[in-house]
Amino acid sequence: GENVEQHPSTLSVQEGDSAVIKCTYSDSASNYFPWYKQELGKRPQLIIDIRSNVGEKKDQRIAVTLNKTAKHFSLHITETQPEDSAVYFCAASRGSGGSNYKLTFGKGTLLTVNP
Amino acid sequence: ETGVTQTPRHLVMGMTNKKSLKCEQHLGHNAMYWYKQSAKKPLELMFVYNFKEQTENNSVPSRFSPECPNSSHLFLHLHTLQPEDSALYLCASSQDPDSGNTIYFGEGSWLTVV
Repeated sequence: GENVEQHPSTLSVQEGDSAVIKCTYSDSASNYFPWYKQELGKRPQLIIDIRSNVGEKKDQRIAVTLNKTAKHFSLHITETQPEDSAVYFCAASRGSGGSNYKLTFGKGTLLTVNP
Repeated sequence: ETGVTQTPRHLVMGMTNKKSLKCEQHLGHNAMYWYKQSAKKPLELMFVYNFKEQTENNSVPSRFSPECPNSSHLFLHLHTLQPEDSALYLCASSQDPDSGNTIYFGEGSWLTVV
């Protein structure tokens, strides 16, 4: 089955700096890669996703890049703010439509943005 | 956002108890899921229901028993649990499981088995 490795497990940055979280996956058939943000005591929420037919996607201060050949994808957060502090999870799935129910999650990255 | 609501939010139970977790979604979705979230482990998919039919059982022990009476409600019945079952149990829903639609999570039920 799919295996998703996520690094680093913890990341501390100064407000205004950029943060990068990387994930690798093992199943070359995976074609859907969402990122979830989970604030302390709250539910995971989708913040951005990418499908295998594109290499990069941006949404304001966040972006995701995908390298299918190397089987890795990354989350980039620019101009970090204290409210970006949370646990971020990457995930991968395969299927004709990008089957959500076969999502395999990484272990998460605890991002701390220091004011 | 209250699209997916879970009760109770916190539950402490003994190993011989029987309890249930409840999930309700108000999003008109057709698929519902149970996930387990333990410390320092990835989110683990437990069960998937699509149009009330169970389509996935991810090798979950029989002491966890799901029930989906309709597309809006999902239960997780718990009996004779072990301390290692203590975790955050997250319910989620999506429009359907195969189209790549966004999964929406509930706030979770914190379960402690003593």
